[in-house]
Amino acid sequence: DAGVIQSPRHEVTEMGQEVTLRCKPISGHNSLFWYRQTMMRGLELLIYFNNNVPIDDSGMPEDRFSAKMPNASFSTLKIQPSEPRDSAVYFCASSLRGHTEAFFGQGTRLTVV
Amino acid sequence: RKEVEQDPGPFNVPEGATVAFNCTYSNSASQSFFWYRQDCRKEPKLLMSVYSSGNEDGRFTAQLNRASQYISLLIRDSKLSDSATYLCVVAPSGGSYIPTFGRGTSLIVHP
Repeated sequence: DAGVIQSPRHEVTEMGQEVTLRCKPISGHNSLFWYRQTMMRGLELLIYFNNNVPIDDSGMPEDRFSAKMPNASFSTLKIQPSEPRDSAVYFCASSLRGHTEAFFGQGTRLTVV
Repeated sequence: RKEVEQDPGPFNVPEGATVAFNCTYSNSASQSFFWYRQDCRKEPKLLMSVYSSGNEDGRFTAQLNRASQYISLLIRDSKLSDSATYLCVVAPSGGSYIPTFGRGTSLIVHP
């Protein structure tokens, strides 16, 4: 099994630019999570999908952030326009069903300058 | 009160030492508990689940105390390779399963 695949691994962009992060969950998993990790705030849940439907997006910081899951094998997190304070590591994770472990991708390290 | 709280550490211990971490949670309806390990600049990975009766995996022992709403992780005979951040994870029951992570406890094992 290839695990959760995220791309790109690293992204450096200028303030104001659009950033799109991509995630391919483990095949057969029906739950998908986007997290953001910073030194200051730790690992924060941004949004949770179950069966491709957004269930909880209360962690999305503001309207500049949006996430989609058009099918069971692909999700995107978009930031438009990006700001320096968005710099963080963004993780995607998936799980088979409720109450089981979440498997994480290797993360996307985003730097907005 | 934060949903999941951990002492950030760092815990600095010599090889061979026994070290224990605690994690408290605020949601009494929580049903699933895990310890994850995160190495520097890597993704979190499951270390072990925490069961009501407690469970052991080699040098690692996890305990759950529902009455006091905390879980613990005990590491015996620490190895240099145990140096990492240990994240406590709590998830509620019901259809909306959303795991909440603690900030993590940093462990440094030195020679």
